[in-house]
Amino acid sequence: QKEVEQNSGPLSVPEGAIASLNCTYSDRVSQSFFWYRQYSGKSPELIMSIYSNGDKEDGRFTAQLNKASQYVSLLIRDSQPSDSATYLCAGRNTGGFKTIFGAGTRLFVKA
Amino acid sequence: EAQVTQNPRYLITVTGKKLTVTCSQNMNHEYMSWYRQDPGLGLRQIYYSMNVEVTDKGDVPEGYKVSRKEKRNFPLILESPSPNQTSLYFCASSLDGTGWLFGPGTRLTVL
Repeated sequence: QKEVEQNSGPLSVPEGAIASLNCTYSDRVSQSFFWYRQYSGKSPELIMSIYSNGDKEDGRFTAQLNKASQYVSLLIRDSQPSDSATYLCAGRNTGGFKTIFGAGTRLFVKA
Repeated sequence: EAQVTQNPRYLITVTGKKLTVTCSQNMNHEYMSWYRQDPGLGLRQIYYSMNVEVTDKGDVPEGYKVSRKEKRNFPLILESPSPNQTSLYFCASSLDGTGWLFGPGTRLTVL
């Protein structure tokens, strides 16, 4: 199993819909998790972090962490074409300072 | 403006010719890191630094060197580049080693 695994997509949703992005992780990854957004040709940008079980909301974004299932998700409500990007899930390695990234999920929001 | 800068942004070189990619941050961050990004493999951490003169290997350190003589700078050195080091490189900094602020990237081609 990869340490942080994501479906590469592409995930296509219509404008205004909820986009759901998912990520699973192995035992080697700690309890700190992050979602980054990367537009084509640009650098990754941190959009959400989550450290404890449950939901964390920030504007149209909600991050969810389920430690028992080793599962992290990102929900984007009222998706906009400007949300079209690659979303990278990342976690910190257990007991260390390494950040381990998934390969990313490409999201397309159709106008 | 808080930022991470990298130079050069684009570089084409030949096998075996030593090169250095510079990285600088203006936020007084303790942590800095280098990543490479390859299609299908995502972002992989090369080296990271927790403070001046303190560095550690990431997941793919072979063929790379780093130094942290000043807090703001973290250059990446390829002593003898090879074609398999052709990639997109990102420098990043962080206040506490969790969420990272990325530089604009350096696209390196080794012929």
